[in-house]
Amino acid sequence: GAVVSQHPSWVICKSGTSVKIECRSLDFQATTMFWYRQFPKQSLMLMATSNEGSKATYEQGVEKDKFLINHASLTLSTLTVTSAHPEDSSFYICSANLAGLRAYNEQFFGPGTRLTVL
Amino acid sequence: GQNIDQPTEMTATEGAIVQINCTYQTSGFNGLFWYQQHAGEAPTFLSYNVLDGLEEKGRFSSFLSRSKGYSYLLLKELQMKDSASYLCAVCTTGTASKLTFGTGTRLQVTL
Repeated sequence: GAVVSQHPSWVICKSGTSVKIECRSLDFQATTMFWYRQFPKQSLMLMATSNEGSKATYEQGVEKDKFLINHASLTLSTLTVTSAHPEDSSFYICSANLAGLRAYNEQFFGPGTRLTVL
Repeated sequence: GQNIDQPTEMTATEGAIVQINCTYQTSGFNGLFWYQQHAGEAPTFLSYNVLDGLEEKGRFSSFLSRSKGYSYLLLKELQMKDSASYLCAVCTTGTASKLTFGTGTRLQVTL
C-alpha cells in the first residue's frame, strides 16, 4: 500500500512551452501533497505544499505564477511549469502525506519526473 | 530558518560499518527521517526518530540527540547496493508536517 505515481516519468520540451506533471496517490487519500525539485548532485528542495481544495503554499523564492499547482482531489495534484526555460530542467518529485497509519506523518514519494528544457 | 548539515561524500569498504552524521538547527522539531536515494530514483524511507536514542532495523540503525541537534545513520555489513545518497530530513510542527532535507551524503561502497 501507500503507492504514489507520477506522470510522465520524463519529458523533453522546447523553451517557452508549458509542461504538466501529475502526482497520484493510488491506494490512499492524501491529506497533503508536496512538490520538490532536485538538481544534479543536490538534495531535495521543497517547492510547495498542496492541500485539496485550497491554494498551495509556496516556499520562499518559488514563483507561484510560474509553477502552478492544482490539487483537484484527495488523490491527484498537478504541477504545471509555465513558459519553461533551460534553467527549469530538473528532477521534480512529489510526495503524499498519509496521516494516521503510523505514529508519524510519513511522506511517500513518487518516482519523479525528469524535465529537460531545450 | 533551518540549517541541516551532512558530509557531502563518504567512501567505505564492502562488509564494513559506516556512520553518516547529520546536525540540524530548527524550531518546532517534530522528528527526523533518514531516506535512501539511488541516482534518478525517488527517496525511500529508512528510519524515523522523534525521541532520543537508538532505533535499530536490521543492518540500519539511527540515533537521535535532540539536545545536541544531532543524528546519525549507521550502516553495518555494507553491501555494494548500499552505494546511494542518504538524506537526513527534519520534520517541523505546523501545517502539514513539512520536511526539510539536508544536503545529502553520497556513499560509495568499494570492494
